[in-house]
Amino acid sequence: DTEVTQTPKHLVMGMTNKKSLKCEQHMGHRAMYWYKQKAKKPPELMFVYSYEKLSINESVPSRFSPECPNSSLLNLHLHALQPEDSALYLCASSQVQGNYGYTFGSGTRLTVV
Amino acid sequence: QQQVKQSPQSLIVQKGGISIINCAYENTAFDYFPWYQQFPGKGPALLIAIRPDVSEKKEGRFTISFNKSAKQFSLHIMDSQPGDSATYFCSPAEWGDSSYKLIFGSGTRLLVRP
Repeated sequence: DTEVTQTPKHLVMGMTNKKSLKCEQHMGHRAMYWYKQKAKKPPELMFVYSYEKLSINESVPSRFSPECPNSSLLNLHLHALQPEDSALYLCASSQVQGNYGYTFGSGTRLTVV
Repeated sequence: QQQVKQSPQSLIVQKGGISIINCAYENTAFDYFPWYQQFPGKGPALLIAIRPDVSEKKEGRFTISFNKSAKQFSLHIMDSQPGDSATYFCSPAEWGDSSYKLIFGSGTRLLVRP
């Protein structure tokens, strides 16, 4: 299995809702990442997990809460989002050592109404 | 501070032509230089990558040229095809905080006309 699977593919949520994005990989990668991508812009790093521990938080607002329950799974919990948070949320994974590149999922298209 | 500058912003090439995308960086701690290809509605996919001890790497129609002293690297797509129409990102990486961290350039939207 050489894929990163993200669910759901599309999500519409109100500003008072709580929702979660899910990311799964079975490549044995021990680094996992959340990126946010606005239209016609490059991906922006949000969080990095290394060996299931949060190693980088790029000053992301607390309405985004990441979680790494095990080495294959990464969640992003969403609460009280704003319309400007609407974007494509990308999950990626990689080896921690050696760096053979990231494998990205297809993303979750999030719309906040 | 803009660590990575990518150019051009957009590029139109005829089928069979050569597409060239450039990337300049400032951070000398970068030690891995990949290019990612992204189609609409998809996540970026690793296209080709180079390490700083090599000046050129070729994989099929795709070539990376790397100039360490100038802190620049470029992507060349030979015999460009309409299926190559996508957005391309240079994304040099540095090690830190127990993982590699990619820094994405602004992207180049390539259109290959039939």
